[in-house]
Amino acid sequence: GAVVSQHPSRVICKSGTSVKIECRSLDFQATTMFWYRQFPKKSLMLMATSNEGSKATYEQGVEKDKFLINHASLTLSTLTVTSAHPEDSSFYICSFVLPSRALTTMNTEAFFGQGTRLTVV
Amino acid sequence: AQKITQTQPGMFVQEKEAVTLDCTYDTSDQSYGLFWYKQPSSGEMIFLIYQGSYDEQNATEGRYSLNFQKARKSANLVISASQLGDSAMYFCAMRDTGAGSYQLTFGKGTKLSVIP
Repeated sequence: GAVVSQHPSRVICKSGTSVKIECRSLDFQATTMFWYRQFPKKSLMLMATSNEGSKATYEQGVEKDKFLINHASLTLSTLTVTSAHPEDSSFYICSFVLPSRALTTMNTEAFFGQGTRLTVV
Repeated sequence: AQKITQTQPGMFVQEKEAVTLDCTYDTSDQSYGLFWYKQPSSGEMIFLIYQGSYDEQNATEGRYSLNFQKARKSANLVISASQLGDSAMYFCAMRDTGAGSYQLTFGKGTKLSVIP
């Protein structure tokens, strides 16, 4: 099956620094990738949709200048948390779909990366 | 607007018994897809089962089955013969019919604990 590789799995950084999280699709080309954020014991909240070659679409309330998303190629999307603060500490997880496998968009399975646990101290 | 509701924050089940995890949804779309994902403590999201709004039969995948009641807008997950490895968070999710929309909206999840 399709595989998504997300790195790093854990990162601790100091306040004010930036952290880059990478998400790679290993078996195929992903035109669309999603970035989610998950607080402890909470659900996944969509942050943004990343389309290859174009600007990401951010959900309401997500600061695009703080969470920079770059989908420069069909196999790589990155999320950079800039000027990190302790409240940015969270679990970040990427996801993509395989539209070529679906007759409709409904049953397109979403594949997820392993997630990145960010702790800002 | 769509919404996924999982009313059980936590559930316990005896090993080898069956358990039902509840999920209700709210959408005005006629065409939609419902998913269940398992998230172990490691954090990865594992796809379990899918049900389309037009599917007449309940989806089944091994020990997982989806009790789809369209009129009630419910899509409960049934896990048969629970195993210790089933202990995890379980999320119900929905995808709507927005053009080019592949994104999923998730419920708050249910933490399942399997007791030996």
